[in-house]
Amino acid sequence: AQSVSQHNHHVILSEAASLELGCNYSYGGTVNLFWYVQYPGQHLQLLLKYFSGDPLVKGIKGFEAEFIKSKFSFNLRKPSVQWSDTAEYFCAVARGNNNDMRFGAGTRLTVKP
Amino acid sequence: EAQVTQNPRYLITVTGKKLTVTCSQNMNHEYMSWYRQDPGLGLRQIYYSMNVEVTDKGDVPEGYKVSRKEKRNFPLILESPSPNQTSLYFCATSVLGQEWGEQFFGPGTRLTVL
Repeated sequence: AQSVSQHNHHVILSEAASLELGCNYSYGGTVNLFWYVQYPGQHLQLLLKYFSGDPLVKGIKGFEAEFIKSKFSFNLRKPSVQWSDTAEYFCAVARGNNNDMRFGAGTRLTVKP
Repeated sequence: EAQVTQNPRYLITVTGKKLTVTCSQNMNHEYMSWYRQDPGLGLRQIYYSMNVEVTDKGDVPEGYKVSRKEKRNFPLILESPSPNQTSLYFCATSVLGQEWGEQFFGPGTRLTVL
């Protein structure tokens, strides 16, 4: 079945540590890729997006992600996390030809001060 | 201000009592969708709509109904709620076309079915 996989269920880091969250998808063809963040008690907000062009995309709050087509991956990175980055992070994949939209199960990030 | 609104935000009800969760958007987006969020399962799509009078099932449509009579509104109807429908529900909207898929989410509705 077509799916979006996030490798880490829960990640715990200390402030200033570097972050990389994995995301892989199983679709072929053209896809639009997204990372969303959900702070405790809030709705999902867009962190960054990839439609086409430069595979390295920069988002808000110092986050970036790299699309590697050959690996079907769209990993999220941040060089130095802050306590305020504590949240749940969701990878999402949209296929335009059949309006299919899927989310990963989410990765909970806890940053210790 | 561009926004997606949902009502109610919190609801506790009993098994079998019909309920409707409303969703409204002011961005003129063609695409609207309902998701439920459960721990460890991420977001699962219930129904979506690509335009007025066009709706389709997502991954978990059983026990739910939707309608899209106007472009701005996309209510979610639970005709006979059951405890396994206790969840956090999000409405979301998107444009269609090359940049489709960037979803704008409502604030969520936390539903408890006793």
